[in-house]
Amino acid sequence: NAGVTQTPKFQVLKTGQSMTLQCAQDMNHNSMYWYRQDPGMGLRLIYYSASEGTTDKGEVPNGYNVSRLNKREFSLRLESAAPSQTSVYFCASSRAGNSYEQYFGPGTRLTVT
Amino acid sequence: GQSLEQPSEVTAVEGAIVQINCTYQTSGFYGLSWYQQHDGGAPTFLSYNGLDGLEETGRFSSFLSRSDSYGYLLLQELQMKDSASYFCAVRDRGYNKLIFGAGTRLAVHP
Repeated sequence: NAGVTQTPKFQVLKTGQSMTLQCAQDMNHNSMYWYRQDPGMGLRLIYYSASEGTTDKGEVPNGYNVSRLNKREFSLRLESAAPSQTSVYFCASSRAGNSYEQYFGPGTRLTVT
Repeated sequence: GQSLEQPSEVTAVEGAIVQINCTYQTSGFYGLSWYQQHDGGAPTFLSYNGLDGLEETGRFSSFLSRSDSYGYLLLQELQMKDSASYFCAVRDRGYNKLIFGAGTRLAVHP
């Protein structure tokens, strides 16, 4: 099993460009999450999907949109990238009701110039 | 609102014991998780306390006191590979999500 996979691993964008970060899990988990991690600030929840067909805002949703494409896939879209969105983005998944034990992907390092 | 506090850095020597504390303030509380993250890597789950008391997993133990809004992670017989960042995270009344602390960077020296 690959666990949680994310693409791309690295990305450089210019201000105003758009892009979609992809995430997939093969553990048959119901819940999926998107976080950003900035130096010294831990992990901040952007959006999450408790189950297929539902999405909810986390702590820092502004500037992002998400799509729960199916049970396996959960994508994060930046419509108009800003330098403040330079960060490392992690996708995670968990079993339904077990948000305390999340499995993380390897992350995407995004730089917006 | 919600807030979690943990020390930013801790230093220890190989073979020693270290305790990383976490205090929290949340609007609701269902439990406290701990995660480990090596530099450049992804966070990995270590332990979870839903009830008061001590949970032991090998060299790692985690404790929770809900009345004190306090928990800690105890690492015994420290090894160089334990050098990493450790995050506490609360499962709040949203139930389906975690709120993470800023992390504690542990440096283990020979």
